[in-house]
Amino acid sequence: QSALTQPASVSGSPGQSITISCTGTSSDVGVYNYVSWYQQHPGKAPKLMIYEVSNRPSGVSNRFSGSKSGNTASLTISGLQAEDEADYYCSSYTSSSSRVFGGGTKLTVL
Amino acid sequence: QVQLVESGGGVVQPGRSLRLSCAASGFTFSGFAIHWVRQAPGKGLEWVAVISYDGINKYYADSVKGRFIISRDNSKNTLYLQMDSLRAEDTAVYYCARDSRLYAIYDYGMDVWGQGTTVTVSS
Repeated sequence: QSALTQPASVSGSPGQSITISCTGTSSDVGVYNYVSWYQQHPGKAPKLMIYEVSNRPSGVSNRFSGSKSGNTASLTISGLQAEDEADYYCSSYTSSSSRVFGGGTKLTVL
Repeated sequence: QVQLVESGGGVVQPGRSLRLSCAASGFTFSGFAIHWVRQAPGKGLEWVAVISYDGINKYYADSVKGRFIISRDNSKNTLYLQMDSLRAEDTAVYYCARDSRLYAIYDYGMDVWGQGTTVTVSS
């Protein structure tokens, strides 16, 4: 159950697009389309942003999108806004029916 | 409204036990798988355990397997986490979180989270 690999930090200017990667293995991301993404602001509980690789829950902005290729999933945020500054985590279902999170990525809006 | 409220956190000595609770309201508790997720101070999220909607299937992170037990009482709309043989590295905020899909078998994302309860393991 090794954590999924995410970049520690990414940054972008308002209006730009950024992509956060999430690399797993053939026992999790690579074999299941059960990848989710969460946004967490300081001192707050996480918020579900994407599920099943690319689906957005009701109420989540369409500026957020997800994709997957092989063992790597990605979260793209377009039209960056100041309120997007937060920590982002990916997670995946695994072959042992457990779940695993990524280490988290701190997004800074310049 | 749809809500999860954790309780039971506190300061405990290494090797001792603690039981966390997660009270659900505003939705059909018995229809949803529920997770425990923790976050150590200044660190990322760590998945701890999940229990199926009917309480039959339970899965654990390797880091807690054999020490923690997840359970639920659907008649009381409450989830539990029995934590034994606690270690300093178990110090964290513990969240309960609902899987987003009714009668989920796999993983459809955790769409409802509690506010968390803090567990500190220290002598």
